[in-house]
Amino acid sequence: AQKITQTQPGMFVQEKEAVTLDCTYDTSDQSYGLFWYKQPSSGEMIFLIYQGSYDEQNATEGRYSLNFQKARKSANLVISASQLGDSAMYFCAMREGGIYNQGGKLIFGQGTELSVKP
Amino acid sequence: KAGVTQTPRYLIKTRGQQVTLSCSPISGHRSVSWYQQTPGQGLQFLFEYFSETQRNKGNFPGRFSGRQFSNSRSEMNVSTLELGDSALYLCASSLELQGRLANEKLFFGSGTQLSVL
Repeated sequence: AQKITQTQPGMFVQEKEAVTLDCTYDTSDQSYGLFWYKQPSSGEMIFLIYQGSYDEQNATEGRYSLNFQKARKSANLVISASQLGDSAMYFCAMREGGIYNQGGKLIFGQGTELSVKP
Repeated sequence: KAGVTQTPRYLIKTRGQQVTLSCSPISGHRSVSWYQQTPGQGLQFLFEYFSETQRNKGNFPGRFSGRQFSNSRSEMNVSTLELGDSALYLCASSLELQGRLANEKLFFGSGTQLSVL
């Protein structure tokens, strides 16, 4: 069973508008971490934001925020005030386990390609 | 501070050959992980090395192997290349100053694009 599901293969957004990228996950662990990464055409994966399963508040990092709904097992990324440079692939990822977590092993979704229109 | 460096950037090989990819992590980072990225399968975890020991392994055949040196630099090797091995191979490093924290970020390199003909 797929553990990270990103249902939007591609999305368009107008420059300066906000956009939400969806991510749902599946795990039986009580302790886990959720990440969002951006991959521009250069190939490098760039860390955007992190949410821990026990974090009570939604994570925010500048223009990025994470809409974390634990009961629904969703961790949607919200990008406010989109910029042309935001055009890229976006990946949701999960690290399972708490103190005995999986270290460098992240489980990735299939990604969403975001295009920002001027 | 230099980021994660992967060499070479592009590589073309033929079926049956073997290939070695190199990864230099961020200075001070002790964990190095490798991922394979293809359009069909997405990003898949290959293996992770920490202090020169393989700590975790994904579901890949034994043709895929790796190692880590005392300076944390890592190499991965693919023997007897198959067409399906064509992919972007990404290396990621993490600091792990306080053990395996759940929020430990992975820092990725730009990858090696391998084409098998």
